[in-house]
Amino acid sequence: GQQVMQIPQYQHVQEGEDFTTYCNSSTTLSNIQWYKQRPGGHPVFLIQLVKSGEVKKQKRLTFQFGEAKKNSSLHITATQTTDVGTYFCAGSSGTYKYIFGTGTRLKVLA
Amino acid sequence: GAGVSQSPSNKVTEKGKDVELRCDPISGHTALYWYRQSLGQGLEFLIYFQGNSAPDKSGLPSDRFSAERTGGSVSTLTIQRTQQEDSAVYLCASSFSMSSYNEQFFGPGTRLTVL
Repeated sequence: GQQVMQIPQYQHVQEGEDFTTYCNSSTTLSNIQWYKQRPGGHPVFLIQLVKSGEVKKQKRLTFQFGEAKKNSSLHITATQTTDVGTYFCAGSSGTYKYIFGTGTRLKVLA
Repeated sequence: GAGVSQSPSNKVTEKGKDVELRCDPISGHTALYWYRQSLGQGLEFLIYFQGNSAPDKSGLPSDRFSAERTGGSVSTLTIQRTQQEDSAVYLCASSFSMSSYNEQFFGPGTRLTVL
């Protein structure tokens, strides 16, 4: 069945450093969503990518969808302590069902 | 407006007992999802509803798990004869429709501990 892997599993960065998490699907996706889960909290929607090669920005966050629509990345520029949390990608093959990635847990050291 | 709510927030039970977890989706959201998140892990899809119908139950881990939705609103996830491996956070999410292009709004989850 469809699998979605994320790397790295953990990342510790100094405040001000950049951070990137990568998401890879075993199958072609129709769209991909990104969620952030703060420690002790629940996942919160960040963004959705639909088009091949799409790039979207939200302030310091840049999201990319690969040309083959099988991979995606989230890049955070100049991390802040408020960026701490686990970032999940969730891919859909065009149905109701989303397969969530394994998540990347980000720690930002002040 | 109110978000997705779940109850109870915490549930401690003994092995072999049945538990019922409740989810109140956002009003007007026709799609409802249940996920399970073990400690430090990702989200495991369990089941989804479109209205009161659950077309795909293949994500349920065993026949001890069942779910229903009534009135196109509240959903309950029931786990019978609980086992220690059922311990996890059970998350409910709702979205405007079943379309895969709608974001999911998650509830705070129910933390289940089976002793």
